[in-house]
Amino acid sequence: GAGVSQTPSNKVTEKGKYVELRCDPISGHTALYWYRQSLGQGPEFLIYFQGTGAADDSGLPNDRFFAVRPEGSVSTLKIQRTERGDSAMYLCASSLNAVDTEAFFGQGTRLTVV
Amino acid sequence: GQQLNQSPQSMFIQEGEDVSMNCTSSSIFNTWLWYKQDPGEGPVLLIALYKAGELTSNGRLTAQFGITRKDSFLNISASIPSDVGIYFCAGRESGTYKYIFGTGTRLKVLA
Repeated sequence: GAGVSQTPSNKVTEKGKYVELRCDPISGHTALYWYRQSLGQGPEFLIYFQGTGAADDSGLPNDRFFAVRPEGSVSTLKIQRTERGDSAMYLCASSLNAVDTEAFFGQGTRLTVV
Repeated sequence: GQQLNQSPQSMFIQEGEDVSMNCTSSSIFNTWLWYKQDPGEGPVLLIALYKAGELTSNGRLTAQFGITRKDSFLNISASIPSDVGIYFCAGRESGTYKYIFGTGTRLKVLA
């Protein structure tokens, strides 16, 4: 596609439920990032993929959060046993490779845990 | 998580005025990026900087990579109403992959 695509655009879930957020990067981009943005804050790093592997997952807040990118393209961010504090905008970005540093963001998924 | 210090936090300006904002870090960065974000949308990349001292323009926007490599500046000339939004800087340290974002500068333009 022309840009990074994230689905769904909005997700409302009940506390304790499991959610999956999907990211389709720009075609041909091997590097993929997940960020989380709370209201009034800048994006905070969660995890970085180069190809299929997570090269840096230091930003994942706890073991309820997990992300995969099995074929080196689409990525899924998975959150188990959601808590109200997980409510935020989840942003995905991609760049051509690890060397090319321009990262392009999708429109985000707004997650609300009630 | 870690965030870069951005200033000013917010500003109101008259249409046609020039705008300046900056971003500082306690770490040395090898890349600086500047983004604009509208409400409910993802950040849109404006300018990328790769070398200390580099000055890069994109239309009415000009950004500079500070010579200490710990700061960056963004200027907007002759502001227009559609410049309204939140501007974020993001930096990356050598040998790392993640970008660290600033706290944002909220810009409001009065027609």
